Amino acid sequence: DAKTTQPNSMESNEEEPVHLPCNHSTISGTDYIHWYRQLPSQGPEYVIHGLTSNVNNRMASLAIAEDRKSSTLILHRATLRDAAVYYCILETSGSRLTFGEGTQLTVNP
Amino acid sequence: DAGITQSPRYKITETGRQVTLMCHQTWSHSYMFWYRQDLGHGLRLIYYSAAADITDKGEVPDGYVVSRSKTENFPLTLESATRSQTSVYFCASSESAYNEQFFGPGTRLTVL
Repeated sequence: DAKTTQPNSMESNEEEPVHLPCNHSTISGTDYIHWYRQLPSQGPEYVIHGLTSNVNNRMASLAIAEDRKSSTLILHRATLRDAAVYYCILETSGSRLTFGEGTQLTVNP
Repeated sequence: DAGITQSPRYKITETGRQVTLMCHQTWSHSYMFWYRQDLGHGLRLIYYSAAADITDKGEVPDGYVVSRSKTENFPLTLESATRSQTSVYFCASSESAYNEQFFGPGTRLTVL
């Protein structure tokens, strides 16, 4: 299964931008890059996804490297409610998501 | 209620018993998924379904059985529960492949 590598944890201050990195050097041409987050005691929540081009939505931006071997999730202004585990996932054929261990984001007031 | 629901939310059972976890979605999404999440770890895919009567194995299917006779329901059965199946189980649905998945609230299963 396609694998991603993320830092175990990151910290940010409230109202500052956060850049969450993800490496996926084994990505294939048809794999989509997904980001989900999981708040404590809840199911994962979709954040954003993309294939080749950078993507923006109301929650975040996704910057994808030109060679697609890495990507960065950007939260433009972190809030306390953004504290969660963020998962970078490659979606391979058949709509399969393979979750890694994710990055625990701590937001300091 | 609209959305994706799971029942029961909490379940305690004993080794060797059969347990069925229910998942229901109201969006008529084609795809449905079952994941398990062990304490402190990421989710692992158990089974998924691309449409009614079509199911396929995920990463950790052993010990589990699924069926999907109706689009909106995707039950997961542990035929003979083991302590290693103690976990939180999440159901999810998606309109199509490569689309966002919507997750249910989870079922916390404890096997004694």
